[in-house]
Amino acid sequence: GEEVAQTPKHLVRGEGQKAKLYCAPIKGHSYVFWYQQVLKNEFKFLISFQNENVFDETGMPKERFSAKCLPNSPCSLEIQATKLEDSAVYFCASSPGRLGGNQPQHFGDGTRLSIL
Amino acid sequence: GENVEQHPSTLSVQEGDSAVIKCTYSDSASNYFPWYKQELGKRPQLIIDIRSNVGEKKDQRIAVTLNKTAKHFSLHITETQPEDSAVYFCAAVPNSGGYQKVTFGIGTKLQVIP
Repeated sequence: GEEVAQTPKHLVRGEGQKAKLYCAPIKGHSYVFWYQQVLKNEFKFLISFQNENVFDETGMPKERFSAKCLPNSPCSLEIQATKLEDSAVYFCASSPGRLGGNQPQHFGDGTRLSIL
Repeated sequence: GENVEQHPSTLSVQEGDSAVIKCTYSDSASNYFPWYKQELGKRPQLIIDIRSNVGEKKDQRIAVTLNKTAKHFSLHITETQPEDSAVYFCAAVPNSGGYQKVTFGIGTKLQVIP
């Protein structure tokens, strides 16, 4: 597709439940990025992929967060044993090449995760 | 790691005036600096970017300047219009073989008063 597609738009979970978010990058884009945006607008980088390989996971909370990008499937971000502070909008972005090249990253509309 | 500081956090200007948002970064390895505009409830959209081999870049009413020595870069919007009202984020990306991490500033909420 021509846009980064994120599903669902809104996800509500009880504290301690699992949450799984999906992202379909723009066709032909090799890089996928996940960000967490909390209520104060601040973006936090989580992880990036080059195709199905983790490229940079320095922002990823290791204990409960995991992510995958498998061939012919949407990328996913999974949070185990959710906590109240996981409530945020999670954005996915994709780019055709490495950042700083001639093409920028394109963002999806985000998934709003609400932990009750 | 990289640290990006952005100010002001909020900015109100009269329609037609200019707006300036400033950012500083800490990692001298950063060489790509995109700016994003995010309207309420919407996705961030790239409005302009600059690479470290360039000191200034302009696109119609928007310009960005970069001072590598001082490690700061700024966004300038001239002749502001109500539709410029949004949150603006600066970001820095390092040039490193195994590293593709974007560090964002905290955002500046710009309000253009008609």
